Amino acid sequence: KAGVTQTPRYLIKTRGQQVTLSCSPISGHRSVSWYQQTPGQGLQFLFEYFSETQRNKGNFPGRFSGRQFSNSRSEMNVSTLELGDSALYLCASSLVRGSKTQYFGPGTRLLVL
Amino acid sequence: AQKITQTQPGMFVQEKEAVTLDCTYDTSDQSYGLFWYKQPSSGEMIFLIYQGSYDEQNATEGRYSLNFQKARKSANLVISASQLGDSAMYFCAMREGAYSGAGSYQLTFGKGTKLSVIP
Repeated sequence: KAGVTQTPRYLIKTRGQQVTLSCSPISGHRSVSWYQQTPGQGLQFLFEYFSETQRNKGNFPGRFSGRQFSNSRSEMNVSTLELGDSALYLCASSLVRGSKTQYFGPGTRLLVL
Repeated sequence: AQKITQTQPGMFVQEKEAVTLDCTYDTSDQSYGLFWYKQPSSGEMIFLIYQGSYDEQNATEGRYSLNFQKARKSANLVISASQLGDSAMYFCAMREGAYSGAGSYQLTFGKGTKLSVIP
């Protein structure tokens, strides 16, 4: 069974640009969560999606948005990029909300110059 | 206040020896879940083990076991017979409201412990 896939794996953008990251969960998994990992702040929760609906959002500005499609694939978008948005963005999928096992993808490394 | 505290920024262990990575947590919820993840230098978070707050027995998964002491609010990870491939960052995480359905299902992570296995 294929794991969680994230595209692209690496991305370089400049300040003010916008970026879209994609996450394909494990087949059959319906819950997708996104996390941001930086050296300073560690791992922080961004969003949780289930059945195409955002169920929860972390403490991030409105520049961070996302969505989930009917096939459970999810995208997150960051508009007006800032230097501080440079991070590893991790997507995690689980069968349903609150599953004991939550599987992470390899992440997208975003560098904002 | 930190919800998850990992007090060991870095640890060294001899190959084939056992090692304990510390994790303490803070929650007022009665139902919660505790997780350990391994993150190699490649960046992917690898799920290791889960312990529910109502689970009476300590969780075990192969060489990994979780020493759950509820009253002390600690959930230490024990790795037996360390291997060179165990060298990585290890994160403890908590999900509150795990059984009640009222939780947000988000994971709150600690800062991590970098484990280095010495040949």
